[in-house]
Amino acid sequence: EAQVTQNPRYLITVTGKKLTVTCSQNMNHEYMSWYRQDPGLGLRQIYYSMNVEVTDKGDVPEGYKVSRKEKRNFPLILESPSPNQTSLYFCASSLGASGRNEQFFGPGTRLTVL
Amino acid sequence: TQLLEQSPQFLSIQEGENLTVYCNSSSVFSSLQWYRQEPGEGPVLLVTVVTGGEVKKLKRLTFQFGDARKDSSLHITAAQPGDTGLYLCAGPPEYGNKLVFGAGTILRVKS
Repeated sequence: EAQVTQNPRYLITVTGKKLTVTCSQNMNHEYMSWYRQDPGLGLRQIYYSMNVEVTDKGDVPEGYKVSRKEKRNFPLILESPSPNQTSLYFCASSLGASGRNEQFFGPGTRLTVL
Repeated sequence: TQLLEQSPQFLSIQEGENLTVYCNSSSVFSSLQWYRQEPGEGPVLLVTVVTGGEVKKLKRLTFQFGDARKDSSLHITAAQPGDTGLYLCAGPPEYGNKLVFGAGTILRVKS
């Protein structure tokens, strides 16, 4: 089954404790991205990757890091989480970078930073 | 300020009623997508409209792209409880490639 998986689905942590949210897709998609979703603000792009070893900042990259060592995986790293990073996070993949391509989303990771 | 403004933000209706959700911008978009997101899940694509004035139908859902490609609407006929969810519009501005999202419309259909 074609899908994007994220882990964990729920995470409660404390300020400053490094964490990683994993993302994996099995559709051989080149383009992957991370979004955060906050009430009233919709989905905002954090980082994206056009292909292996190619990553770039989205609209709200501060406080986040990513890596793309393999085509299928695109982990999101919070080196020192802060309460303002409490949010619902989605990983997405698509065939290419064009905004016309369908985005396939993972199920989301709800992060709470105390 | 959102590049794509959706209205209404929240809609609660009875089963069988009709409704329209709007997605507006002051910018031109080369295409617009509509996604539906159910609680606990990621958004799922419903449709992509590409040509100004284009109308697409998906069972009881009708999507329209404005002639000037600055707005879009989603009309649901005879809404059912299964239509409940968050509806998001998204698209790449004409002079850009990145997908931008509206804040969404929360639809609740009561039986």
